[in-house]
Amino acid sequence: KAGVTQTPRYLIKTRGQQVTLSCSPISGHRSVSWYQQTPGQGLQFLFEYFSETQRNKGNFPGRFSGRQFSNSRSEMNVSTLELGDSALYLCASSPIAGPAYNEQFFGPGTRLTVL
Amino acid sequence: AQRVTQPEKLLSVFKGAPVELKCNYSYSGSPELFWYVQYSRQRLQLLLRHISRESIKGFTADLNKGETSFHLKKPFAQEEDSAMYYCAPNSGYSTLTFGKGTMLLVSP
Repeated sequence: KAGVTQTPRYLIKTRGQQVTLSCSPISGHRSVSWYQQTPGQGLQFLFEYFSETQRNKGNFPGRFSGRQFSNSRSEMNVSTLELGDSALYLCASSPIAGPAYNEQFFGPGTRLTVL
Repeated sequence: AQRVTQPEKLLSVFKGAPVELKCNYSYSGSPELFWYVQYSRQRLQLLLRHISRESIKGFTADLNKGETSFHLKKPFAQEEDSAMYYCAPNSGYSTLTFGKGTMLLVSP
């Protein structure tokens, strides 16, 4: 099976802009979770989607949002970008809901740089 | 709130030496516990989980409920073990909380 894919792999934006990142889970996986990885904070949970519904959300401002489509592909959007949003954004999928109980399969990440 | 502590940012050992990567968590109960690993230029991937009681690549992890710890151990480190290791315990929350990670460097 093909692994989790994320596009684009690299992105450079300026403050105030918005950005959309895409994630395609492993075929058959219905749960998609998003994480932000930074050197200072490590890996932080953003949100999880299952069957097109957001199940959980991490402690991030409302500028961070996401959605999931009927084919389980997911997008996350960050509006009004700030310098502190520069990070590696990881997507992970699993067959069923609940990243805390099930193995997560991670994508390669999208490296976002905000100038 | 869940808190996960991996006290060492970097652990440097020689090949053949024993390795212990520490992980402490801040809550009681019966958590599900994971160790994830990221090798250079590879994706983050599951190394092992407590419930399976397996030894993966020679690594084992022991849950100590009294000390609320889930340390990762290997008796003889290999150079290919060099990687970033993340502990991810869960106390019953459905979201996954990761520690900040320990970089393991195994020198020849």
